[in-house]
Amino acid sequence: SQELEQSPQSLIVQEGKNLTINCTSSKTLYGLYWYKQKYGEGLIFLMMLQKGGEEKSHEKITAKLDEKKQQSSLHITASQPSHAGIYLCGSVGTYKYIFGTGTRLKVLA
Amino acid sequence: GAVVSQHPSRVICKSGTSVKIECRSLDFQATTMFWYRQFPKQSLMLMATSNEGSKATYEQGVEKDKFLINHASLTLSTLTVTSAHPEDSSFYICSAALEGGGIYNEQFFGPGTRLTVL
Repeated sequence: SQELEQSPQSLIVQEGKNLTINCTSSKTLYGLYWYKQKYGEGLIFLMMLQKGGEEKSHEKITAKLDEKKQQSSLHITASQPSHAGIYLCGSVGTYKYIFGTGTRLKVLA
Repeated sequence: GAVVSQHPSRVICKSGTSVKIECRSLDFQATTMFWYRQFPKQSLMLMATSNEGSKATYEQGVEKDKFLINHASLTLSTLTVTSAHPEDSSFYICSAALEGGGIYNEQFFGPGTRLTVL
């Protein structure tokens, strides 16, 4: 079955620093979603990538999809405390939707 | 648009009781809804796929008699945790796909329900 591995598992950065989170699939990716989750709350949809090489940005967050590498990266520029939370990638696996292992981000003010 | 609500947001119950969690799509019809469970510091795990008017499809290892799912209408799915035990304490999240879609359509997530079994 398909698995999504995220790296790093956790990240602590100083406010203002840039950071990157990776999501690597064990199988071919047919679309990749990025979500943010605050502790104990629901998921906030960030963006969806459908085509190889596709890149999308929203405010200070940019995501790219590399189909050949079966990987997506999420980049945050000039991080702020409001960026803190759990970032999850998600994709359609074999007959079901699957989530990545998650990356916990903490931003120090 | 595409808002999904869950009720209750938090519930505390005694061991042995049953708890029902509702998942509603507020402004769209959802043929398919999904139920996930999230343990502390872990990712979401799909428990079951709920299709309107038919029996839910459970993932391997999920007890269907323990976690009863009913998808009675295109806007409502319920998850009932029967005879709850402390190990059932978790964060439960539902999601809904637009009518006619399934796993290949974007899912919209509810805010989650935190269940604590004493």
